[in-house]
Amino acid sequence: EVQLVQSGPEVKKPGESLRISCQESGDSFTTHWFTWVRQIPGKGLEWVGIIFPGDFDTRYSPSFEGQVTISADRSVATTYLHWSNLKPSDTAIYYCARGADFYGSGSPYNPLDQWGQGTLVTVSS
Amino acid sequence: DIQLTQAPPFLSASVGDRVTITCRASQGITRYIAWYQQRPGQTPKLLIYAASTLQSAVPSRFSGSGSGTEFTLTINGLQPEDFATYYCQQLHSSPYSFGQGTKVEIK
Repeated sequence: EVQLVQSGPEVKKPGESLRISCQESGDSFTTHWFTWVRQIPGKGLEWVGIIFPGDFDTRYSPSFEGQVTISADRSVATTYLHWSNLKPSDTAIYYCARGADFYGSGSPYNPLDQWGQGTLVTVSS
Repeated sequence: DIQLTQAPPFLSASVGDRVTITCRASQGITRYIAWYQQRPGQTPKLLIYAASTLQSAVPSRFSGSGSGTEFTLTINGLQPEDFATYYCQQLHSSPYSFGQGTKVEIK
């Protein structure tokens, strides 16, 4: 079974940079879409963006575009979420999730059937 | 961008009740909608996709319906493990937004 293993919790100061990771165990990294989702504690799920490591096609929510960067490294089957200038409002749990292959694995329209355990990012002075 | 509005945001129910949650899209999304369950302290879990297809291993008391702009998630015979927050997600066009969630609490 595919597993998504995310990096550990982070505590950073405003203005700092950060990269969190999500590694896929299995052999579907280049054939599926991977999504990042934000959840502020006690709040709902927010769609951040999506990447297809097969060709690095990446799409962002307008709410997050320019605020974060999504990338992937095929050699280690890992997708990343990067901030160059953290703000206290970035404090949240960030999940990565893999798109299913109900519509074909290369389709971005697939629901999210595998989720990482989440990475808590705390930004505070 | 497509907005999803879930209703109600909270509901109180008893074990054995039938519960219905609605999700309205700001524009037509055919049947490109999924439903997730998130128990406290856990990661979200896919329940239903393509509006009405049950994900593998999800109990049959869960069902989904709808097309276009109006969708429902129904739980027939609420069980103790079903007390959680439920989210819809549209998969029609990017950004693939989520609804704001419906928290199902014990009455």
